[in-house]
Amino acid sequence: GQQLNQSPQSMFIQEGEDVSMNCTSSSIFNTWLWYKQEPGEGPVLLIALYKAGELTSNGRLTAQFGITRKDSFLNISASIPSDVGIYFCAGLPETSGSRLTFGEGTQLTVNP
Amino acid sequence: ETGVTQTPRHLVMGMTNKKSLKCEQHLGHNAMYWYKQSAKKPLELMFVYSLEERVENNSVPSRFSPECPNSSHLFLHLHTLQPEDSALYLCASSQDYGAGVTQYFGPGTRLTVL
Repeated sequence: GQQLNQSPQSMFIQEGEDVSMNCTSSSIFNTWLWYKQEPGEGPVLLIALYKAGELTSNGRLTAQFGITRKDSFLNISASIPSDVGIYFCAGLPETSGSRLTFGEGTQLTVNP
Repeated sequence: ETGVTQTPRHLVMGMTNKKSLKCEQHLGHNAMYWYKQSAKKPLELMFVYSLEERVENNSVPSRFSPECPNSSHLFLHLHTLQPEDSALYLCASSQDYGAGVTQYFGPGTRLTVL
């Protein structure tokens, strides 16, 4: 089946720094979603992207649907301690019907 | 209450027990999902229901048995589980089952099988 390669696996940054993470695949995707999961909770949707080249912001978060439709990135600007958590990308492959494929997550730690 | 809720939040059970996980969505969605989340692995889709009909069953062992009595409620019945079934079980819902729809997750049930 389709695989999503999410990188980096973990990041340790100082408060105030900007963060960038991405997901790539060898397959074409129709939809990209970015979720954040905090300890003991389920993933919470941050941003949804439905069109190649689409760039969407949600506060300090910005995500883009890659023009090749095989990748997406998420940027967090001016990080704060509450940004800590695991960030997951998820995509709907062109050939998979309705099944989302998930990345393995990026663990973000923000030091005050 | 809004969103997707799951009970219990934590469950410890022996291998011979029978228990059930419950999920309820207050979003008026037509599709509901069960996922298994294990450490360091991507989310694994277990079951999908659309309009109370099961539409996907991804080679899940028969010791996991889903039930969807209506479009707002989803259960996962558990019996004779194995220690490797210990994981976070997440329920999700979406407006419909189809391309491009966004899924919303509950907080999960942390299951430990002794």
